[in-house]
Amino acid sequence: EAGVTQFPSHSVIEKGQTVTLRCDPISGHDNLYWYRRVMGKEIKFLLHFVKESKQDESGMPNNRFLAERTGGTYSTLKVQPAELEDSGVYFCASSQKKGGTGDTEAFFGQGTRLTVV
Amino acid sequence: AQSVSQHNHHVILSEAASLELGCNYSYGGTVNLFWYVQYPGQHLQLLLKYFSGDPLVKGIKGFEAEFIKSKFSFNLRKPSVQWSDTAEYFCAVSNRGFKTIFGAGTRLFVKA
Repeated sequence: EAGVTQFPSHSVIEKGQTVTLRCDPISGHDNLYWYRRVMGKEIKFLLHFVKESKQDESGMPNNRFLAERTGGTYSTLKVQPAELEDSGVYFCASSQKKGGTGDTEAFFGQGTRLTVV
Repeated sequence: AQSVSQHNHHVILSEAASLELGCNYSYGGTVNLFWYVQYPGQHLQLLLKYFSGDPLVKGIKGFEAEFIKSKFSFNLRKPSVQWSDTAEYFCAVSNRGFKTIFGAGTRLFVKA
């Protein structure tokens, strides 16, 4: 079974440019999460999709960040325009809701390291 | 609001030493608890998890963790560390399958 995959693995862009990160969750997983880790700090929650709907986007830092999950499959996270403080590692995770109890574990992708210069 | 506190940011041990990494969380409801590990150059991997039942949880590679509800703690332990355990360890809590809150991480360096 393929795991969670993220593209690209690394991205270096200039301040003011646009970057789009992609996440392909494990097939059949309804839940998809985006997280970010700024250098040396904790991994912070950004948002959570259930299928194509945003369940919780309380962690999105500002309106320069736009996440979509068309058709409830893969997801994209666009940063426009990028700022220096957006640099970090962006993780995606997916999980499968089991039997209504909600007891699930999340499987993480390898992350996209974004550097804004 | 949920939060996770890891007691140590950096730990240096010699091989064969015992390890205990502290983790406390703040959340009043029912939680799932996790320890994740990130080895150098690799992605986050699940080390062990607690959902319910026996509060002493055994994970991969000889790690275990004990959930103490009264102390809101979920400390990670290993009796004898190896050089290959050098990694960053994250304690995490989720509210029954929804968003996961992570601690700041503990970098463990094991000297050969």
